[in-house]
Amino acid sequence: DADVTQTPRNRITKTGKRIMLECSQTKGHDRMYWYRQDPGLGLRLIYYSFDVKDINKGEISDGYSVSRQAQAKFSLSLESAIPNQTALYFCATSDLGRGWPNEQFFGPGTRLTVL
Amino acid sequence: QKEVEQNSGPLSVPEGAIASLNCTYSDRVSQSFFWYRQYSGKSPELIMSIYSNGDKEDGRFTAQLNKASQYVSLLIRDSQPSDSATYLCARGHNQGGKLIFGQGTELSVKP
Repeated sequence: DADVTQTPRNRITKTGKRIMLECSQTKGHDRMYWYRQDPGLGLRLIYYSFDVKDINKGEISDGYSVSRQAQAKFSLSLESAIPNQTALYFCATSDLGRGWPNEQFFGPGTRLTVL
Repeated sequence: QKEVEQNSGPLSVPEGAIASLNCTYSDRVSQSFFWYRQYSGKSPELIMSIYSNGDKEDGRFTAQLNKASQYVSLLIRDSQPSDSATYLCARGHNQGGKLIFGQGTELSVKP
């Protein structure tokens, strides 16, 4: 079984709809991240979480919210989807490590299309 | 100046050649660096991490770090068509264990 899973893998929705993307991990990592990837823009951080009680905004958090339901689960919501949120979304995890940032492990991604 | 810069490519090399991928970064205090491989439509996959100046080898891959010059590179020896992918360079950001990614270099290995 995959260590980091994301559901759904593909989603097509309409402008104004509320969407939730879910991420689960079995790696036992404390830190979890949500990224979006657009052609030519690379990976951009939306939100990240150190643990269940610690949620932080990334560089592009506007229009998104998150929930860390448990150590293993981190959900991303689009309260009112708009077409420019069409992108590939990745969840990632990392552990606390050596005192400086550690490698992150990515889920398979969710391709979201907003019409 | 972008925090992590990579040539977008595409970089084309013949099968069996050495592919050289380069990355520069702007933050002198960065301590950790990573190379990821990403096939089209798939998720990034960690290839190498490097924390100290010098070379680190793993199979056909060698990462090189020069903190004084603020660059990190990835060499792929005996390149194979299956190495054709986008390679992402990332540096660690001390706040929150974040990684800052470059935009990636597309590599094409021709048979």
